[in-house]
Amino acid sequence: GIQVEQSPPDLILQEGANSTLRCNFSDSVNNLQWFHQNPWGQLINLFYIPSGTKQNGRLSATTVATERYSLLYISSSQTTDSGVYFCAVRGRETSGSRLTFGEGTQLTVNP
Amino acid sequence: GAVVSQHPSWVICKSGTSVKIECRSLDFQATTMFWYRQFPKQSLMLMATSNEGSKATYEQGVEKDKFLINHASLTLSTLTVTSAHPEDSSFYICSARYGSSYNEQFFGPGTRLTVL
Repeated sequence: GIQVEQSPPDLILQEGANSTLRCNFSDSVNNLQWFHQNPWGQLINLFYIPSGTKQNGRLSATTVATERYSLLYISSSQTTDSGVYFCAVRGRETSGSRLTFGEGTQLTVNP
Repeated sequence: GAVVSQHPSWVICKSGTSVKIECRSLDFQATTMFWYRQFPKQSLMLMATSNEGSKATYEQGVEKDKFLINHASLTLSTLTVTSAHPEDSSFYICSARYGSSYNEQFFGPGTRLTVL
């Protein structure tokens, strides 16, 4: 099945800093989503972005489908941005209906 | 965005009992629902996929007699953990999607199960 790799696994920032999270995938995709899992376990949809660029406030994402990667940018980070960020993809040729998740990036933003 | 709810948020039970978790799509019709399991500090692991009115499709290694899934309507799916044991303790998360696999998938808040 499709493989998803996220980097870095852990990231510690000071409040106000910017960061870039990366998601590499091994095959063509027809769905790519970024999520933030908050400390209570809720997955919050950040972006649905199988290709192209989107922005939502301090967050933006870019997926370059032909090169099989996606980037999540967080600007002017806040302590409430802390948590785990997951990238999940659905392979175009395989994987049935399922989203395959990466291992996540644990982000800690210190005041 | 679309809202998915889960009930209960947490449950503690004795070994050998059965536990039912409900997952509801509140503002859309969920033609497909998914159940995931997550261990501490790990990613989500898909347990099963269900389409409304059909039997669930279980992932390899997931016991279908242990984890009973019912997707009886377009807004409700249930996961029943039968004869629960301490090793079944985990965080269970449901997810729902309307229409094709191209569409966005939305997640419930999760249910933390502790089996004593």
